[in-house]
Amino acid sequence: KAGVTQTPRYLIKTRGQQVTLSCSPISGHRSVSWYQQTPGQGLQFLFEYFSETQRNKGNFPGRFSGRQFSNSRSEMNVSTLELGDSALYLCASRKEASGANVLTFGAGSRLTVL
Amino acid sequence: AQSVTQPDIHITVSEGASLELRCNYSYGATPYLFWYVQSPGQGLQLLLKYFSGDTLVQGIKGFEAEFKRSQSSFNLRKPSVHWSDAAEYFCAVGPRLTPLVFGKGTRLSVIA
Repeated sequence: KAGVTQTPRYLIKTRGQQVTLSCSPISGHRSVSWYQQTPGQGLQFLFEYFSETQRNKGNFPGRFSGRQFSNSRSEMNVSTLELGDSALYLCASRKEASGANVLTFGAGSRLTVL
Repeated sequence: AQSVTQPDIHITVSEGASLELRCNYSYGATPYLFWYVQSPGQGLQLLLKYFSGDTLVQGIKGFEAEFKRSQSSFNLRKPSVHWSDAAEYFCAVGPRLTPLVFGKGTRLSVIA
């Protein structure tokens, strides 16, 4: 079966612009989480959505936002980009019925801010 | 608060040698523990997980990990490393339905 699909895989933006990243979870997975990965800070949790509702949120400024659609696909948006937003953004989905916390990750979206 | 420490930033081993990657966690209750691997430019792939029961868990690609509650550790091992194991390895902790907390990772290099 298809895995977690993230688009675009690579993108370059300039400071002040905004960006939208997309994530399609594994079929049947209703929970989608987003993580930011940078060399300095490692993997940091951004937010999690379940059934179109934000269930958990990490410690990021309001410029970072997300949403989930009725088909469980999720998008995250970063407004007013800063150089420090350059990172690999990883999406992960989870099948709630499994009763466990097993995340399946996508390949990520590599964002470069110039 | 939950935290994960991976003391080794970078490890180099010879192909065919054994491997142990260290992971120490801080968590107040019984943890859910994970090891993930990330190849360059890729996402994270789950190697193995521990929820309860037998403290020695087997994973994919010949990896295993042992949960030691008294030491708050969940070290990853492999008896014989292959060149294709070169990657970055992440330990993570998190109870059910909450965000996982990851360690900073250990980069593994494999030499001939």
